[in-house]
Amino acid sequence: QKEVEQNSGPLSVPEGAIASLNCTYSDRVSQSFFWYRQYSGKSPELIMSIYSNGDKEDGRFTAQLNKASQYVSLLIRDSQPSDSATYLCAVISSGSARQLTFGSGTQLTVLP
Amino acid sequence: GAVVSQHPSWVICKSGTSVKIECRSLDFQATTMFWYRQFPKQSLMLMATSNEGSKATYEQGVEKDKFLINHASLTLSTLTVTSAHPEDSSFYICSAPTEGRAKNIQYFGAGTRLSVL
Repeated sequence: QKEVEQNSGPLSVPEGAIASLNCTYSDRVSQSFFWYRQYSGKSPELIMSIYSNGDKEDGRFTAQLNKASQYVSLLIRDSQPSDSATYLCAVISSGSARQLTFGSGTQLTVLP
Repeated sequence: GAVVSQHPSWVICKSGTSVKIECRSLDFQATTMFWYRQFPKQSLMLMATSNEGSKATYEQGVEKDKFLINHASLTLSTLTVTSAHPEDSSFYICSAPTEGRAKNIQYFGAGTRLSVL
């Protein structure tokens, strides 16, 4: 069973702080990793994709991938109340025909 | 990013009726599309993989005769919930992966909220 696990939270941070979201995956040969944001009642929206070890930055978001530890994280700097949402970690595993495996999601609340 | 259009966004129907949901890739071709279902406060659950020109692949526990999938063109997949019952009430979401240089990034439709009375 190929699995993706996230700390389910909920996670609360004050406005302006750094929010750290974590995810581990079981399939060692996974190659593609994604973070999606989902607001309540809406469909997921792509935030970041990462494919190589290291950090990838896009504005206030930084994704970090460590394939040896099978770990991917998302940092949100200068968190805003509008960042309050559920964040879904997703992985394309080997032999899955581009099928995403989702974690259960981490609910983030940014307190004004 | 790429755009995936899903219609309708919300449907209410009587028990026993059938409901069709459309998923279109607007600016790219999608030989594969995915259909998910999401219950309140739960993550997305993959129902089936829709393949253009061939039969869909259903996940374990998903009734293929109840959830009919048709992928007749490179830009359109449809999900028909047949003889819907209240337990089928859920949020249905489609997605399509871009091909080639975008490295399998999947874009999601806006979702369809189905309420069966």
